[in-house]
Amino acid sequence: EAQVTQNPRYLITVTGKKLTVTCSQNMNHEYMSWYRQDPGLGLRQIYYSMNVEVTDKGDVPEGYKVSRKEKRNFPLILESPSPNQTSLYFCAISQGLNTGELFFGEGSRLTVL
Amino acid sequence: GQNIDQPTEMTATEGAIVQINCTYQTSGFNGLFWYQQHAGEAPTFLSYNVLDGLEEKGRFSSFLSRSKGYSYLLLKELQMKDSASYLCAVRGDNDDKLIFGTGTRLQVFP
Repeated sequence: EAQVTQNPRYLITVTGKKLTVTCSQNMNHEYMSWYRQDPGLGLRQIYYSMNVEVTDKGDVPEGYKVSRKEKRNFPLILESPSPNQTSLYFCAISQGLNTGELFFGEGSRLTVL
Repeated sequence: GQNIDQPTEMTATEGAIVQINCTYQTSGFNGLFWYQQHAGEAPTFLSYNVLDGLEEKGRFSSFLSRSKGYSYLLLKELQMKDSASYLCAVRGDNDDKLIFGTGTRLQVFP
């Protein structure tokens, strides 16, 4: 069964303090992505990666960075968090969207004060 | 632009049937997905349609009409545990992403 592990699950931080949300998968899937979910706006894609060292912007990449140095890990980096980045974040993986669905991690609830 | 529309909220009674509609306008079409999301949890995959017609999976069925840009999720024999949000998502021209609707929150009452 696909497992997508995110850490931390909950975090309260302050404006400007750099943080990283980690995402790790056990399925050897090539596709990994980050979404944020906000009330009334649904799930919006931040960044995605088709394979190691290949990353691309989604719909709302501003204020975020990612890296894909290894196949299993896809960390989301907030260099200087701001209150508008308070959100619920999901990491998701897939064998490939043409045949496979997305498997989501449990989510990371981030509050920036 | 890309747009996916779903009703915001629906209510239904245990044992009944409910249909959740989704209309989409996207640049191209390469498949439509339905996900279920219980409050505070991650979305989980329910169904995938790429050709016109009905796909049935137990109590859940999903229908697609590509010419109308329309899909619905049909839930039969509703149970209390079906109370959740249901997300419609479309894979458009960009094969690398899914565009999600804002979701339909379904409440099932006894």
